[in-house]
Amino acid sequence: SQQGEEDPQALSIQEGENATMNCSYKTSINNLQWYRQNSGRGLVHLILIRSNEREKHSGRLRVTLDTSKKSSSLLITASRAADTASYFCATDNSQGGSEKLVFGKGTKLTVNP
Amino acid sequence: DTEVTQTPKHLVMGMTNKKSLKCEQHMGHRAMYWYKQKAKKPPELMFVYSYEKLSINESVPSRFSPECPNSSLLNLHLHALQPEDSALYLCASSQDSPGGYQPQHFGDGTRLSIL
Repeated sequence: SQQGEEDPQALSIQEGENATMNCSYKTSINNLQWYRQNSGRGLVHLILIRSNEREKHSGRLRVTLDTSKKSSSLLITASRAADTASYFCATDNSQGGSEKLVFGKGTKLTVNP
Repeated sequence: DTEVTQTPKHLVMGMTNKKSLKCEQHMGHRAMYWYKQKAKKPPELMFVYSYEKLSINESVPSRFSPECPNSSLLNLHLHALQPEDSALYLCASSQDSPGGYQPQHFGDGTRLSIL
């Protein structure tokens, strides 16, 4: 069953602008991860944020997590054409010790040069 | 270059063929995964191996048969597939715990077409 839902489904921006993608989920989680997928390639892990963390940074990436709203956001600052990709959030399920990671539908980001 | 290697990159097969997909990692990871991804959709989990034992089968049809010969290798044996099985098949690994506790490292996938 789908756990995460990203919005927007598609986002087109100019190089240098910031891109914000949101993810909402339904059940309690232990961790939330963000992945990037370039066309025709596998997924690349970006950031893992634990349920007791509120914000995490990695280079130009900033992830926030609000467990009360069951939502997360991924901010990419000063975007580049190379950031063009699909971005997925993925969550586990804290109930029942789930070993599964469930991916949201993804946001397709296009950064125009 | 990814640290998880999948072969072949592309595979075209008929519905009566038998073929295998291969996945290899040398990071010492003990959890390995098979995902299926259709165009413009997220990856869907098929199987999870933990310490070379099958720990999750997501009700995958028996025409897909996974195998983990050792801690570095994961195979997916295919037999009598249907056209709707055409998809990108992704292999992933994580350090030890399956699920969301650790990052998963993905290969670039095998693009499978069933004629």
